[in-house]
Amino acid sequence: EVPLVESGGGLVKPGGSLRLTCAASGFTFSNAWMSWVRQAPGKGLEWVGRIRSKSDGGSADHAAFLKGRFTISRDDSKNMLFLQMNSLNTEDTAVYYCTTGLFHWVTDYWGQGTLVTVSS
Amino acid sequence: DVVMTQSPLSLPVTLGQPASISCGSSQSLLYIDGDTHLSWFLQRPGQSPRRLIYKVFNRDSGVPDRFSGSGSGTDFTLNISRVEAEDVGVYYCMQGTHWYTFGQGTKLEIK
Repeated sequence: EVPLVESGGGLVKPGGSLRLTCAASGFTFSNAWMSWVRQAPGKGLEWVGRIRSKSDGGSADHAAFLKGRFTISRDDSKNMLFLQMNSLNTEDTAVYYCTTGLFHWVTDYWGQGTLVTVSS
Repeated sequence: DVVMTQSPLSLPVTLGQPASISCGSSQSLLYIDGDTHLSWFLQRPGQSPRRLIYKVFNRDSGVPDRFSGSGSGTDFTLNISRVEAEDVGVYYCMQGTHWYTFGQGTKLEIK
C-alpha cells in the first residue's frame, strides 16, 4: 500500500487551471500536516504550501512567490489533499509531490509525483 | 526569504570513503521553540525524495547510522562515514524555521 498517490497532472495552456489530488492511506491522514513540493525539470525542490490538521486549525499557507494563484485544501472524510492551481504559466511546469516529510513530528511520506506541463 | 547554500554541488566519492556536504543559511535557523529546523533529504535517481535527518542530527527510521548530521545557527553538515552504492543521488538540505527553503542540491556520484 502506497501511503500517498498524486493525480490530476497533465498538459494545460498558459492562463489555465488544474486541480491536483493526493490520496492518502495507511496512516491517520486527519492528524497529519501536509505539504506540496514541486520540482521543475532538471531542477531542485521548491516548497509550494502546507495545510495544518483540523485539530491544529486546518489553515493553509502558501509560498509568497505564488501570489495567491494556488490554494491547498483537504477532505479528511476522503483522506484527500488538493492543490488548486490557477493562472498557470510556463514556470509552473514541474513534478508536484505531496508529502508529510517537511514536519519532523510525523513519518516521512512522499508520493510518486504528478507532472504538470504548462505550454501552448 | 532565507537562502540555503550547499557545497559542493557535485561530489564524486570512492566507495567506502567518507563524504561531507555543507549547508549554510542566510539567517539563524534556531526557532523560538528552542529547536533548529534543518533537515536533509536524499533523492535517488528516478525516485521521490526521502528524509534522512531532521532537526539537525536526528536520523529517520531506517536510515543507516553511517549518515550523521551536525551544526547549529547557520552552518550545517551532513556526513556519510563510508559511502555505499545506494547513496548515489542528490542531497538537499531544507530549513523549516522561516517557512521552508531547500538548498540547490548536491549530486553524489561514485568515482
